Amino acid sequence: EAGVTQFPSHSVIEKGQTVTLRCDPISGHDNLYWYRRVMGKEIKFLLHFVKESKQDESGMPNNRFLAERTGGTYSTLKVQPAELEDSGVYFCASSQEGRTSGSSYEQYFGPGTRLTVT
Amino acid sequence: GEDVEQSLFLSVREGDSSVINCTYTDSSSTYLYWYKQEPGAGLQLLTYIFSNMDMKQDQRLTVLLNKKDKHLSLRIADTQTGDSAIYFCAEKGQYNQGGKLIFGQGTELSVKP
Repeated sequence: EAGVTQFPSHSVIEKGQTVTLRCDPISGHDNLYWYRRVMGKEIKFLLHFVKESKQDESGMPNNRFLAERTGGTYSTLKVQPAELEDSGVYFCASSQEGRTSGSSYEQYFGPGTRLTVT
Repeated sequence: GEDVEQSLFLSVREGDSSVINCTYTDSSSTYLYWYKQEPGAGLQLLTYIFSNMDMKQDQRLTVLLNKKDKHLSLRIADTQTGDSAIYFCAEKGQYNQGGKLIFGQGTELSVKP
């Protein structure tokens, strides 16, 4: 079974440009999460989709970030216009829906997209 | 707000035990996790512990939870060079069923031969 995939693996853009990151979750996983790690700091939650709906977007830094998950499959995260402080590694994770007693709702992470804004 | 803290670096010799510590602030945490990130790879779930447990053992890994002090530790017995990676502690609060994880900064474990 394929894991969570992310594209591109690396992106270098100039300040003011636009970048779109893509995440393909594990097939059948309704939950999709975006996280970001700025150099040397903690991994911070950005938002959570359940199917195509935004369940929690409390971690989105500002309105330069737009996440979509059309059709409830893959998701994109667009940064427009990019700023220097947006540099970091963007992780996507997915998990199954449903509540099983004792379930930890394990989130499976992709390898991340390293974004550098110069 | 919720916060998770870890020390940034740990260096051990091959064959020794490693202990990585983590503290958290959310008293409603239900699950606590340890993730491992190897260079160029994503986060791999190593183990997790439910908040009503004190200890969980899985082969070379032992997780200890002191809920009163909100302290979590990961012990790796007989540490190998392949254990060199960044280890992240994370927690999920009671009110985040199926929701976001709160991570620490990660502890970079270096294993010297």
